[in-house]
Amino acid sequence: DTAVSQTPKYLVTQMGNDKSIKCEQNLGHDTMYWYKQDSKKFLKIMFSYNNKELIINETVPNRFSPKSPDKAHLNLHINSLELGDSAVYFCASSLKIGTSGRAGTDTQYFGPGTRLTVL
Amino acid sequence: DQQVKQNSPSLSVQEGRISILNCDYTNSMFDYFLWYKKYPAEGPTFLISISSIKDKNEDGRFTVFLNKSAKHLSLHIVPSQPGDSAVYFCAASAFGNQFYFGTGTSLTVIP
Repeated sequence: DTAVSQTPKYLVTQMGNDKSIKCEQNLGHDTMYWYKQDSKKFLKIMFSYNNKELIINETVPNRFSPKSPDKAHLNLHINSLELGDSAVYFCASSLKIGTSGRAGTDTQYFGPGTRLTVL
Repeated sequence: DQQVKQNSPSLSVQEGRISILNCDYTNSMFDYFLWYKKYPAEGPTFLISISSIKDKNEDGRFTVFLNKSAKHLSLHIVPSQPGDSAVYFCAASAFGNQFYFGTGTSLTVIP
């Protein structure tokens, strides 16, 4: 009964490959996110989807494409992997976005992370 | 342009003492702040939050203080326990939109 799950937990691949990371939440939340935590431990948002619609798209390469088949899933597909893509990727979800100050609605629940290593 | 900063990468505290973790931010539009706790190989988990209309929020051993004029918040853990050893992230948002995270402070509570 994991709230936010990600697969795989570890991913080791060669440069130039295409890979996907899957994320699912069973909390009934409307909003899902992808974060990247780089080697400096900086947790930076990449994308956010609200009810399957893209609402935040930070400056990430076009090689990264999120896909949300339904509001419980937000998958991350990465084309032509590069060495600099090596990081831990976290998926998260929250009840709603844009409702600051309402306790519980903004709180993000994170998945366990996917450690991507590009060789 | 890091809008949320945690300048202490690590902190060691004796069990039973107070742990104080600090966080500074630059964006005066931030109105909601959270602290997350992260164990190795796990995702961050929500710990405590505070809205900008308050200057203090308490939940058991955890208290968050907000000083808006200084753009500073802190997390106090009293008394500290070995199970509190983890990385603590502060995060901030404006009007409930995207959150900006600090780089985390690794807390070690020594038994």
